[in-house]
Amino acid sequence: DGGITQSPKYLFRKEGQNVTLSCEQNLNHDAMYWYRQDPGQGLRLIYYSQIVNDFQKGDIAEGYSVSREKKESFPLTVTSAQKNPTAFYLCASRTLNYGYTFGSGTRLTVV
Amino acid sequence: QKEVEQDPGPLSVPEGAIVSLNCTYSNSAFQYFMWYRQYSRKGPELLMYTYSSGNKEDGRFTAQVDKSSKYISLFIRDSQPSDSATYLCAMSAGTSYDKVIFGPGTSLSVIP
Repeated sequence: DGGITQSPKYLFRKEGQNVTLSCEQNLNHDAMYWYRQDPGQGLRLIYYSQIVNDFQKGDIAEGYSVSREKKESFPLTVTSAQKNPTAFYLCASRTLNYGYTFGSGTRLTVV
Repeated sequence: QKEVEQDPGPLSVPEGAIVSLNCTYSNSAFQYFMWYRQYSRKGPELLMYTYSSGNKEDGRFTAQVDKSSKYISLFIRDSQPSDSATYLCAMSAGTSYDKVIFGPGTSLSVIP
């Protein structure tokens, strides 16, 4: 079945540590996105990519980095510069004239 | 003023009730409107995708768009306990990979 796979499901980060969240899709979608979801808030866009080897900052890109070396993969690194990283992270992909397909999310907690 | 506003609830209804979920928005350029359902600790799933004003029906779900009032609704008929989830509205201006703006979501509980 086609879909988006996010891993790990739960991730714990120590202060000052960088961590990478994985996102893989087999839907052949060109565009991929990373969103952050906090309780009581809407989804906030971190980064997005419409084509391989190209990506753009979203509304809250500070403290995050991404790469898009393959169409299927769009990993997100949460760096030590992100001061409040505890949140639910959602990866999504999209084809033209249709809505997003989301992964099942990664819950990141700072310990 | 936020671009998209949505009553966060929680909304609690008895099984079998008709549920009305609503969003208002401020950007008149929005033309594409979506509703997503999100179960706890899961990613959102697309329920409805509509263009411009009018109604769209899919099973027990009806999406309604009133662009003149900048108001969209999702109606759920014969609500079931399995409909208990958070419902997110979302919208964008164009058919390209335009930015999609999400509402904060409304939490719905359907009581057996």
